[in-house]
Amino acid sequence: DAKTTQPTSMDCAEGRAANLPCNHSTISGNEYVYWYRQIHSQGPQYIIHGLKNNETNEMASLIITEDRKSSTLILPHATLRDTAVYYCIVRDAGTYKYIFGTGTRLKVLA
Amino acid sequence: EAGVTQFPSHSVIEKGQTVTLRCDPISGHDNLYWYRRVMGKEIKFLLHFVKESKQDESGMPNNRFLAERTGGTYSTLKVQPAELEDSGVYFCASSRLGWGTFFGSGTRLTVV
Repeated sequence: DAKTTQPTSMDCAEGRAANLPCNHSTISGNEYVYWYRQIHSQGPQYIIHGLKNNETNEMASLIITEDRKSSTLILPHATLRDTAVYYCIVRDAGTYKYIFGTGTRLKVLA
Repeated sequence: EAGVTQFPSHSVIEKGQTVTLRCDPISGHDNLYWYRRVMGKEIKFLLHFVKESKQDESGMPNNRFLAERTGGTYSTLKVQPAELEDSGVYFCASSRLGWGTFFGSGTRLTVV
């Protein structure tokens, strides 16, 4: 079973920041937090990942709480093309497989 | 750099027939994975290759599914005989040590 809990759906206005929360209260010390998204019927697309420090790349920022029990993915300026299902996944550093949950369906509104 | 390529993109077969899905990983990626999403369910892990060796096949649903990766390059996933419940989207992904995992666009399999 997935070790993460995410809201089922969220809306965001175009041009505004989209903040997607994820709860992973049972995360252990060597588990990373990964974010993927699936646009329409394409394959999952890697966004970002982190262990305990906040991370930023050209797509998004990842904010992990100090106790690591939750995180937030931030899309700073959401566009219509960011409409997708976003998956937060916790994965052990010693394994390779992802356990997907149901994700958050983000709809960016014009 | 080419991404993960899957073929065919769609396949419709009759119950009892055989289907073979192909995946070409990103060049240089030793790790190759198969996942699938059946109707209304989450994306589920099927198996993991490291080069030509099966590292983890704990997600394979039953012995009607056979995955191979001869030579450690492309991989095939054969379903024989196909059943109605095998319908879904089959994703292949690849990675190399220390880097992210990249997914293909998937093969949509419909068994009628």
